[in-house]
Order: sequence, then structure tokens, then C-alpha cells
Amino acid sequence: AQSVTQLDSQVPVFEEAPVELRCNYSSSVSVYLFWYVQYPNQGLQLLLKYLSGSTLVESINGFEAEFNKSQTSFHLRKPSVHISDTAEYFCAVSKEGAQKLVFGQGTRLTINP
Amino acid sequence: DTAVSQTPKYLVTQMGNDKSIKCEQNLGHDTMYWYKQDSKKFLKIMFSYNNKELIINETVPNRFSPKSPDKAHLNLHINSLELGDSAVYFCASSPYGGVYEQYFGPGTRLTVT
Repeated sequence: AQSVTQLDSQVPVFEEAPVELRCNYSSSVSVYLFWYVQYPNQGLQLLLKYLSGSTLVESINGFEAEFNKSQTSFHLRKPSVHISDTAEYFCAVSKEGAQKLVFGQGTRLTINP
Repeated sequence: DTAVSQTPKYLVTQMGNDKSIKCEQNLGHDTMYWYKQDSKKFLKIMFSYNNKELIINETVPNRFSPKSPDKAHLNLHINSLELGDSAVYFCASSPYGGVYEQYFGPGTRLTVT
């Protein structure tokens, strides 16, 4: 069975500092990996996804994540965060033929001015 | 022109009551989901329907009964509400298959007193 572990429940950083949100998964088969973001009092939105090909994927708002098969990780990074990045971030995994996503526990990113 | 909509947004009710949450998507997707997000933000899938057919039922108490009158609608009926049912319930939709992005509704915050 697939599982996802987000190693940090909360990550506080200062504005314009870099950030990394960690995600590890366990699966014995090929996987698809996702990062979703949940802004306060809203539903989840897809931030970026890895399906195949280049292991480095980017979002339109400056986030990037790298699929590392040997370390079974899919960490999310941003070189310089903004106040507006304050949100809950969820890593999720699926596999070919599966009809569901398995979500991690979420990481609350708090940006301090 | 909201993609995935849910009603109501807030629901406060007493233990033992029966309530329903409605969900509609206008994206033309084949698959719809119900998720439960607890107070610690943990997100867990409850049900999934594909073209009105139940494909995932994740050991949810049978007090919860999903109903899909057509592929654009997935409603959730809850009988005999309990305190532990208090949570945010999210509806989501996607094209068929776990590789695709899921689009989430804004959520329904259910409070059972």
C-alpha cells in the first residue's frame, strides 16, 4: 500500500527566505506525485505534479519539486517566499490504474514579515 | 462559473440528526470524490464515484451514504450524526484515473453539537 510522510507539520520562515517542505513516499511500483496547496478557508488546489520525464517540475508561482526515486522523495522548494504563500501544503501519491490519491498529513507554511 | 461547488458551506446540527451535503461539478469529469478533513487537517478519502458508479468506499460507517444522480452530482447523506463527524468535507472531481488532477470544492464545515 502507498503511504506519504510529510516530515514537518509546521514550517515558519521569514519573508524572502528560501523554504523546503519535505515529502517521502513508500510504494513498490511506479508512482505519480503531487503537491496541493490549501489557502485558509479554501479547498485544495494543485500546485505541481510529477508523472514522468524530467524529475524537476515547476509551478507558475515559483515553487519547484524534484522527484528522487532512490530516496523516494518529492520535496517542495521555493527560493524566496512571500506572505501570500502562507498556506497548508499537501503531498500526495497515486499509481497507474489507481483511482485515488493518498495524502500526507500536511505542512503548515507560515511566513513572517 | 464555479468548477466544483458545495452546499451548504457551513452546517451546524445536533447529535442524532440527519443531514445532506450537495456537490456539483461543471467540468465534465467522470469521477467524483468525497474527502473528510479532520481538525488536524488530515485529509482522507471516503468515497469515489465514476459515472454514477461507486468505485471506492474506504471503510466509512454506513451512516454515510453517497448518492450520484448523474455524473455531475455527488451528494453525501449522513444519518444519526455523532460528535466525531465534525470536520470539513470536501468534494472533488477529476477525469477518470489517478494520474489526473483533482479539482476540489470549497468545503463544507460540519459541526455536530
